[in-house]
Amino acid sequence: DILMTQSPSSLSASVGDRVTITCRASQSISNYLNWYQQKPGKAPKLLIYAASTLQSGVPSRFSGSGSGTDFTLTITSLQSEDFATYYCQQSNSPLFTFGLGTKVEI
Amino acid sequence: EVQLVESGGGLVQPGGSLRLSCTISGFSLSSYGMNWVRQAPGKGLEWISYISSSSRTIYYADSVKGRFSISRDNAKNSLYLQMNSLKDEDTAVYYCVSLGDSGGPKYFQHWGQGTLVTVS
Repeated sequence: DILMTQSPSSLSASVGDRVTITCRASQSISNYLNWYQQKPGKAPKLLIYAASTLQSGVPSRFSGSGSGTDFTLTITSLQSEDFATYYCQQSNSPLFTFGLGTKVEI
Repeated sequence: EVQLVESGGGLVQPGGSLRLSCTISGFSLSSYGMNWVRQAPGKGLEWISYISSSSRTIYYADSVKGRFSISRDNAKNSLYLQMNSLKDEDTAVYYCVSLGDSGGPKYFQHWGQGTLVTVS
């Protein structure tokens, strides 16, 4: 199975900050990498797919980059509604593994 | 509007069985692969099963292989998860999720609200 390692596991930030979350795959997954946002008590929401393609309706302050084994989710100018937990997921293998998540706190 | 609504969750004893259902509206189920994802209390997301649009291809995570069975009825726009030999560690919110396909990379596009399964 492909192991997905996210870092950090949590971070504290302020409104207006630039935030970067990294995700590393245990083997090359090309650009088969997705990012999700989850708020407490809610289902996850797709933010970015294919490493860098913004899902329709997602604000442009979210961006993704990377290929192979190393990927990044960046939030420029963090907004109050962005405080949540973020997960990466690989879709290169049909066993769609997730990272453990990064909690973005105030 | 796309909606996925899970049902069938509840309290079950270890070793027991439960069948989850997911009713889909707003898109044609027959065109999409589907998944079940679960989340234990306070923990992260765990993909547990996938079924292709035609039901020809099915995958399971090792944690549920041999105990859980995924199926679908496209005519009824419904997805199912039969869970047998349940263990304490199967306690989680279970989400029904559609598989989006960009022509290469795939992604989990639409999520249900989840149904809680408690094994105790």
